[in-house]
Amino acid sequence: AQSVTQLDSHVSVSEGTPVLLRCNYSSSYSPSLFWYVQHPNKGLQLLLKYTSAATLVKGINGFEAEFKKSETSFHLTKPSAHMSDAAEYFCVVISFEGGFKTIFGAGTRLFVKA
Amino acid sequence: DVKVTQSSRYLVKRTGEKVFLECVQDMDHENMFWYRQDPGLGLRLIYFSYDVKMKEKGDIPEGYSVSREKKERFSLILESASTNQTSMYLCASRGNLDIQYFGAGTRLSVL
Repeated sequence: AQSVTQLDSHVSVSEGTPVLLRCNYSSSYSPSLFWYVQHPNKGLQLLLKYTSAATLVKGINGFEAEFKKSETSFHLTKPSAHMSDAAEYFCVVISFEGGFKTIFGAGTRLFVKA
Repeated sequence: DVKVTQSSRYLVKRTGEKVFLECVQDMDHENMFWYRQDPGLGLRLIYFSYDVKMKEKGDIPEGYSVSREKKERFSLILESASTNQTSMYLCASRGNLDIQYFGAGTRLSVL
């Protein structure tokens, strides 16, 4: 069965320092992988999507994620955090086993310190 | 611009009340979803619909029902609200691609 694990429930960084949010997945098939962001009191917004065209995927607001099949990982990174990046981030995998299903990770809350 | 609108941002209801959460999308999407979001649990699928009058149970359908009479509108119904249904409820829609578009959420408190 497909699943997704976000390795950190909370991550705290200082403004201007790099961000790393970790995600591991399990999949019997070539996966479809996404990162979504949720700002306080808002719905989820798509950050980026892995399409298999390239292992390094660029998203909005300077975020990018690298698909590593050997490590079954899809970690989200940003070179320099901004205060506006403080939000909750969800790693998502699309499952095709037993029908189309969207599986969300538990979320990682990012805190950015001034 | 894509838009998914949930009718209420905050709701406070009493135990045993019947509660309606409404969601409207303007993208002519076939697929619509209702999730609940709880701290540490991520999003869990309650119900989804892939066409008008069609519905499928998600992972946690107990205590909920849904209605989809028109393509743009998907309603979540709590037949008899209970305190364990206090949560954030998120509606989403999806077209032919696999990207979901979310509403801003309804925070429901059941007292």
